[in-house]
Amino acid sequence: GQNIDQPTEMTATEGAIVQINCTYQTSGFNGLFWYQQHAGEAPTFLSYNVLDGLEEKGRFSSFLSRSKGYSYLLLKELQMKDSASYLCAVWTGFQKLVFGTGTRLLVSP
Amino acid sequence: DSGVTQTPKHLITATGQRVTLRCSPRSGDLSVYWYQQSLDQGLQFLIQYYNGEERAKGNILERFSAQQFPDLHSELNLSSLELGDSALYFCASSPFGGGNYGYTFGSGTRLTVV
Repeated sequence: GQNIDQPTEMTATEGAIVQINCTYQTSGFNGLFWYQQHAGEAPTFLSYNVLDGLEEKGRFSSFLSRSKGYSYLLLKELQMKDSASYLCAVWTGFQKLVFGTGTRLLVSP
Repeated sequence: DSGVTQTPKHLITATGQRVTLRCSPRSGDLSVYWYQQSLDQGLQFLIQYYNGEERAKGNILERFSAQQFPDLHSELNLSSLELGDSALYFCASSPFGGGNYGYTFGSGTRLTVV
């Protein structure tokens, strides 16, 4: 089966750093994605990891450990506009992307 | 603009009715996916088409059906609508083999059943 776990909700303060964790157990692994979704809008691509290690892209970084079935998304210098849901998704095989239920992040002043 | 076009953006209809949602994938993408997202719920995979053929089915009700046409656009048909079918319906597309951007999502159709 496919199992992707993320915390349901997190809160943080503007300017702070937050880490959103994702653990997965899937039949097949060809990469892990993070998407951002503002309420009522389409998910948008944030990052992709296929090899172990840290990928940095501006204020956002994503880490992957394939042996542990674990990833995290790190958001630095939080801004109010970062309040959104963050979706972890595993590419399990031929064109099959399995999503976690998402983590709702609330950034307060 | 993601390149994936969904119409209409909003739809309000009565229980028992039938509606059709339309999706045009990004140019060059052969796969189309349909997802349902109810209030405060995650993305629920409904169905996938690849180059005109059904490839995978998720939690799609028998009242729902979909197809992908030769020009690769796709339609999701929802019939005998119930109040619980009110949700955001997203279409996504991907190129052959996946690619390192995963899926590209359309802006969604918000369906309200009254």
